[in-house]
Amino acid sequence: DAGVIQSPRHEVTEMGQEVTLRCKPISGHNSLFWYRQTMMRGLELLIYFNNNVPIDDSGMPEDRFSAKMPNASFSTLKIQPSEPRDSAVYFCASSINTGELFFGEGSRLTVL
Amino acid sequence: ILNVEQSPQSLHVQEGDSTNFTCSFPSSNFYALHWYRWETAKSPEALFVMTLNGDEKKKGRISATLNTKEGYSYLYIKGSQPEDSATYLCAFISGGFKTIFGAGTRLFVKA
Repeated sequence: DAGVIQSPRHEVTEMGQEVTLRCKPISGHNSLFWYRQTMMRGLELLIYFNNNVPIDDSGMPEDRFSAKMPNASFSTLKIQPSEPRDSAVYFCASSINTGELFFGEGSRLTVL
Repeated sequence: ILNVEQSPQSLHVQEGDSTNFTCSFPSSNFYALHWYRWETAKSPEALFVMTLNGDEKKKGRISATLNTKEGYSYLYIKGSQPEDSATYLCAFISGGFKTIFGAGTRLFVKA
C-alpha cells in the first residue's frame, strides 16, 4: 500500500489567496484526520471524519477553514482567504476506527 | 476541553542510559492511548496502541504501561541509542474517535 498521500508537499502563496490541500487515505481506512503542526501548539487536531462524515470540527480555527470528504478515498482542506499565521505543516492521517493513525508526509504551507 | 500533557518537554541522555517519560490524560471517557515516535523531517509512526488498564507493551528496548484509572502512561527506553533520538508523542482517544495528541517529549541521545 502506498500509505496516506498528501499534496502538495510544499506550497508558497500570498496572503489572501485560496489554498487547497489534498489527502488520499489508505484504502479500507474509515477515519480521516487533519492536523496542523506549529511550534507553539504541536500537533493540533483540526477536524476528523468517520465514514466520510465530519464528526468533530471544533478544532477548525475559523470560517476561513473548511474541509470536505466527498468519498472514502479523498479529502480536502481549504483555506480562503489565507493569512501568514496559517503557515504551518498540515498532516492528514487515516485509521481504521480508533486504531493507530497512519500519517501522510505533510503539506508545508507558507503564506507570505 | 481534553488535556493531554507530556513531561518532560525535552530530555538529554547519554548513550546507554535508560529513560522514561510520562503522558497524562483525562481518566473519564477513555477509549485508547497511543504512543508515536516522530523523527525530524518524517511523519509520526505508531509504537503502541493501548486499551486496557494495566496494559504493558514492549517493542525491543521500548516499553509502555497504562493506568486508565489515574490517567497516565509511561514510556520506557532501556539502553538509549542515538537512533532513539526523536519526539515521542502520546495520543488520547476518547469515545467517538477524537484523537488528541500531547505536545511530545523530545529525546536527544548523545553518543
